Amino acid sequence: SQKIEQNSEALNIQEGKTATLTCNYTNYSPAYLQWYRQDPGRGPVFLLLIRENEKEKRKERLKVTFDTTLKQSLFHITASQPADSATYLCALDPSGYALNFGKGTSLLVTP
Amino acid sequence: GAGVSQSPSNKVTEKGKDVELRCDPISGHTALYWYRQSLGQGLEFLIYFQGNSAPDKSGLPSDRFSAERTGGSVSTLTIQRTQQEDSAVYLCASSPEGPGANVLTFGAGSRLTVL
Repeated sequence: SQKIEQNSEALNIQEGKTATLTCNYTNYSPAYLQWYRQDPGRGPVFLLLIRENEKEKRKERLKVTFDTTLKQSLFHITASQPADSATYLCALDPSGYALNFGKGTSLLVTP
Repeated sequence: GAGVSQSPSNKVTEKGKDVELRCDPISGHTALYWYRQSLGQGLEFLIYFQGNSAPDKSGLPSDRFSAERTGGSVSTLTIQRTQQEDSAVYLCASSPEGPGANVLTFGAGSRLTVL
């Protein structure tokens, strides 16, 4: 069956460091992968989309890599800030209809 | 509207009652999605609309769940004879087009508590 795996353990890092979150998937051949941010009590908010023919995508302090051989995406936040504390979700499109989401990884950035 | 609006934001109901949850997508967005998020769980896909049609209802958990969309805009998710396991946050999202590399814009969700 298709699976999207994100580290269920919360990631705690110090302000200013780089946070790296992992998304692994099985039994998918995605044309693209998306990352979303979710704050408590709110819906997810889109951050970045990376296509299968792109190795890396950047947006401000965010960087996403996509390795279709390893079936893995890495999400990096450089110079992290306490305001970056949230749950980060990766999402894949298995059927062309709706995105499937991972359970997310909680990030806590402490001053 | 400027964003995706959902109502009610919170709903507490008794087991066995019917509930209706409403979603008002971004104006002009043809695709609309319903997801469910239970405590500590990921987003569970329920149903997708393209215009007023629902080509993918595969995620609806049971026949107690139904959804409709009228005028290519507002959608209603109805849960009949609610059960305690229906308690969750129901999230609606819309995107400009149908399937493809479309970015979803989510509403804040409707939190349903079944006593």
